[in-house]
Amino acid sequence: QKEVEQDPGPLSVPEGAIVSLNCTYSNSAFQYFMWYRQYSRKGPELLMYTYSSGNKEDGRFTAQVDKSSKYISLFIRDSQPSDSATYLCAMSAISGGYNKLIFGAGTRLAVHP
Amino acid sequence: SAVISQKPSRDICQRGTSLTIQCQVDSQVTMMFWYRQQPGQSLTLIATANQGSEATYESGFVIDKFPISRPNLTFSTLTVSNMSPEDSSIYLCSVEAGTAFNEKLFFGSGTQLSVL
Repeated sequence: QKEVEQDPGPLSVPEGAIVSLNCTYSNSAFQYFMWYRQYSRKGPELLMYTYSSGNKEDGRFTAQVDKSSKYISLFIRDSQPSDSATYLCAMSAISGGYNKLIFGAGTRLAVHP
Repeated sequence: SAVISQKPSRDICQRGTSLTIQCQVDSQVTMMFWYRQQPGQSLTLIATANQGSEATYESGFVIDKFPISRPNLTFSTLTVSNMSPEDSSIYLCSVEAGTAFNEKLFFGSGTQLSVL
C-alpha cells in the first residue's frame, strides 16, 4: 500500500463547476498537508498549505484535512479553464528535524468552457 | 518564496551518455532537493544536497548513477549517468522555505529528459 493514494483522473468538468480532489494516507504522523498545482511542462507550484486538521480557504480554493479519517480534500469553486492542470497532494512529518514530503501521483483536471 | 532556474528545460539524449542538469536559486538556501517525476507517478525524491557535504540519496538511487554537486548555497547540479530509456523522465530541483521547519517546497520548471 502506498503511503499516499490519489485518484489520477482525468477529471473533466464544465466551467463553473465545483471540483473536489482527494487524497488518503496511511501514516498518522503526517502533520503538514499541501496541494500543488502543476501546469503542463512546468514545475509544481504550492497552492494550499494546512497544518494539522481543519479547513483553510483562499479565494476559490478550500483545503480540508480530516486526520481521524486520514483524508484530505481540495475544493475548487467556480472552476475556470485556467484551473486545468495536474493537482498533487503532498504531506510530511517532522523526522529528526528534517521534513520529507510524500507526494500523491496527481489528479489531472480539465475544465472545459 | 524562491525563484528557481533550471536548465536545460528539455533534452533528447542517446543511450550510454550523461546529462548534467543545473539548478540556480535566487537566494541562499541550506538544502536543495532533486526529484524525478515519471509519467503517471508521484514525485520521487532522488537525493538531498547540502552545501559542503556529500548528498544524501534515497533508497533506490546511488551516487554513481546520479552524482550531485553543491558548490555553494545558490547552485546545484544533478548528472544522470550512463543513461538508458528507463531514465526518461522529468527531473526537478526544489528548495524549501516557510516557517520553523521549512515545510514548503518550491520547484524549478523541470528538465524533460528523453533517452533514445
